[in-house]
Amino acid sequence: QLQLQESGPGLVKPSETLSLTCTVSGASISSSGHYWGWVRQPPGKGLEWIGSLYSSGSTYYNPSLQSRVAISVDTSKNQFSLKLNSVTAADTAVYYCTRPRSGYVAGGEYWGQGTLVTVSS
Amino acid sequence: QSVLTQPPSVSGAPGQRVTISCTGSSSNIGAGYDVHWYQQLPGTAPKLLIYGNSNRPSGVPDRFSGSKSGTSASLAITGLQAEDEADYYCQSYDSSLRGVFGGGTKLTVL
Repeated sequence: QLQLQESGPGLVKPSETLSLTCTVSGASISSSGHYWGWVRQPPGKGLEWIGSLYSSGSTYYNPSLQSRVAISVDTSKNQFSLKLNSVTAADTAVYYCTRPRSGYVAGGEYWGQGTLVTVSS
Repeated sequence: QSVLTQPPSVSGAPGQRVTISCTGSSSNIGAGYDVHWYQQLPGTAPKLLIYGNSNRPSGVPDRFSGSKSGTSASLAITGLQAEDEADYYCQSYDSSLRGVFGGGTKLTVL
């Protein structure tokens, strides 16, 4: 059974870089033939797609975040990561790592439990 | 302002049928991109309910169904149950294969 688990700091200062890692178990990122992605949800608000990455390294990003976001993969650790720089309070959210269903770039057939990241000094 | 438009809330009595609409444009749903639906219970991660417009993942009851026409999609829930009370989100893609979500609809079971 595929499982995703987010990890990283729960508190980030304004203007700094938010860094999260998603550890995948039950499947190999490099051989799965799937995209892997991130979705966030500000407290009390809706879902926002952040971006997705294929095991080959190709990426798709939300245009509204593209200048600040990077998603990368470490196949040796079976992990993929999110970096979001120059954060503000508006980036406070629960961040989910996901694996879309086969053939799809975005969304999630599988989701991590989510991790709350608060941007505050 | 979400790219896909959903009603903020819908409600229905147990046993009834409710529908949730998801309205897009010619650059997303109307361009032929598939629509997915998610159910989010309070305090939990979203769960894939419908994929590819009308397909149910294994384990999702057939009380849930999806459809798509033109620039819109709909989620229908029949035989409404108390445990269906949740937030529901539609998701599709734009012309650059970027993911887009609806703003979400809160379903209340009366």
